[in-house]
Amino acid sequence: ILNVEQSPQSLHVQEGDSTNFTCSFPSSNFYALHWYRWETAKSPEALFVMTLNGDEKKKGRISATLNTKEGYSYLYIKGSQPEDSATYLCAFAGNQFYFGTGTSLTVIP
Amino acid sequence: EAQVTQNPRYLITVTGKKLTVTCSQNMNHEYMSWYRQDPGLGLRQIYYSMNVEVTDKGDVPEGYKVSRKEKRNFPLILESPSPNQTSLYFCASSPGQNYGYTFGSGTRLTVV
Repeated sequence: ILNVEQSPQSLHVQEGDSTNFTCSFPSSNFYALHWYRWETAKSPEALFVMTLNGDEKKKGRISATLNTKEGYSYLYIKGSQPEDSATYLCAFAGNQFYFGTGTSLTVIP
Repeated sequence: EAQVTQNPRYLITVTGKKLTVTCSQNMNHEYMSWYRQDPGLGLRQIYYSMNVEVTDKGDVPEGYKVSRKEKRNFPLILESPSPNQTSLYFCASSPGQNYGYTFGSGTRLTVV
């Protein structure tokens, strides 16, 4: 079993604050790194898939970066809004597919 | 509408009574997978399939079976369910590892 670690486990921020969280993964046998957004009582939804070292992806106020050599990815949210409250999952795609346990974000109005 | 359809959404059953959770996708995806979600443990892969008639064990395959006779369907079979299989189950599909998964709505299974 492969270790994909996310930190912090949970986070509370004020509306308007920018925030970021980390996904750490093994740097060997890397194929892709996925980020998902999971709202309560719904299913995870794909945000980004990144494959190349140095990749940066952006969707609205959310962006992500990838460092495959050191085995980490950052997810950034600029100007957090209450609707950003969710659990953010990363997943490592190598020989198999492994999810982290997620970062639970609560944005306080 | 492109989607992954799982049924049932909720199921309560008794120990030892065989059950099947169905999963169907209408996107012609090659890759399908089953996960279980337990508190504090994240999504753990049960089985996956990279194409028709090709299935492989994930991290927690014990007590489960799958089949992939057609591209669109990937049922999860519990031959003799036990209480430790009480969990939230998700089916997901993808065109490949370079693409994000589309998840089904989930099946909450309780085995008493």
